[in-house]
Amino acid sequence: GQNIDQPTEMTATEGAIVQINCTYQTSGFNGLFWYQQHAGEAPTFLSYNVLDGLEEKGRFSSFLSRSKGYSYLLLKELQMKDSASYLCAVRDVATGGSYIPTFGRGTSLIVHP
Amino acid sequence: DTAVSQTPKYLVTQMGNDKSIKCEQNLGHDTMYWYKQDSKKFLKIMFSYNNKELIINETVPNRFSPKSPDKAHLNLHINSLELGDSAVYFCASSPRQGSLYGYTFGSGTRLTVV
Repeated sequence: GQNIDQPTEMTATEGAIVQINCTYQTSGFNGLFWYQQHAGEAPTFLSYNVLDGLEEKGRFSSFLSRSKGYSYLLLKELQMKDSASYLCAVRDVATGGSYIPTFGRGTSLIVHP
Repeated sequence: DTAVSQTPKYLVTQMGNDKSIKCEQNLGHDTMYWYKQDSKKFLKIMFSYNNKELIINETVPNRFSPKSPDKAHLNLHINSLELGDSAVYFCASSPRQGSLYGYTFGSGTRLTVV
């Protein structure tokens, strides 16, 4: 199985940049996802990394280092609407071949003016 | 059109009752899932179905029984509800197992057992 660790809560200022880290331990890494979840709503897919490096998508970027078991989600030009929980999820090929990601507990990001 | 729809959105019921939550997806996906999110926001897989067949059944009490009449529907029936079952239950779907594009989640069913 996986052991996924992310900070519980972060705060940042509107217009700033914030980096949310995720570390994991897995026996057969097969991809890492980031999801955004606003309070009372469903998680929505943000990004997927399976190879080392940075994937950029607008204001959001996600980085992966497989050798370090580490990923981060970078949010630029923060907006108030970015206040949400950010979930890191790791897929392990060893999970009976089912490829089901395991989610971390999420990082609650609070953006203030 | 809602891609993954769950009903009901809210469910308040007494201990010992039996209840069902329904889920339908109109995305043509092969794989559907049930997740439970507890009060600490921890999202945990319960079941996964691929083309109506059960492929994942995590450590879930057998009071929980999923049913998939066709690949567009995955319902969850819960018998003898307990206080600890209170949580938000999310249905999700993906094009197939091991999809690279993540899941599409339903809006969730907030179950409160009193």
